[in-house]
Amino acid sequence: AQKITQTQPGMFVQEKEAVTLDCTYDTSDPSYGLFWYKQPSSGEMIFLIYQGSYDQQNATEGRYSLNFQKARKSANLVISASQLGDSAMYFCAMGRNTGNQFYFGTGTSLTVIP
Amino acid sequence: DTGVSQDPRHKITKRGQNVTFRCDPISEHNRLYWYRQTLGQGPEFLTYFQNEAQLEKSRLLSDRFSAERPKGSFSTLEIQRTEQGDSAMYLCASSNGRDRGFRTPQHFGDGTRLSIL
Repeated sequence: AQKITQTQPGMFVQEKEAVTLDCTYDTSDPSYGLFWYKQPSSGEMIFLIYQGSYDQQNATEGRYSLNFQKARKSANLVISASQLGDSAMYFCAMGRNTGNQFYFGTGTSLTVIP
Repeated sequence: DTGVSQDPRHKITKRGQNVTFRCDPISEHNRLYWYRQTLGQGPEFLTYFQNEAQLEKSRLLSDRFSAERPKGSFSTLEIQRTEQGDSAMYLCASSNGRDRGFRTPQHFGDGTRLSIL
């Protein structure tokens, strides 16, 4: 069974500090992709960053980077220099080459403290 | 890029009634997904279309649920004989998967919030 696990229901970070949001996944497929989305209180889902299972380097997008450890099946999101606007729910998701379903974790609520 | 549009934004109905939601994806996107999200949870996959073909349906999608994408553009999700447990946010997402397939990020609409009285 495919599964995404986010073990941190809530996280707090001081403004301008870095924070890591954890994500582990379970799949037997060799080809898959991992995504992070942000969902502010307004409700829209915003794509942040993507990591492919065959990518040799960790993905980076501005202040977002993905710490991909394939052997440990983890894909943690690192947000550097946190801003107040980063306060939101963050979801890790996985898609596979052998199917069309996408699997989301239960999310982590991040609060940035001024 | 006008974004993914969903209508209505909110729907309140009595148990047992039928409801239909509409999703207009980004115009050049060939992939369209429906998800259900309940409070405090991540989106749960319901179904997937590639152009007009429905290629994947979750076991969550009981026979009361049906989705269509007749011309490969907009899609509708119908729930028949609604139940209390159907109360949720229904999200639609689209992507242009022609080059990168499932690797392409999905663009989400703002969702339709369904409340069953």
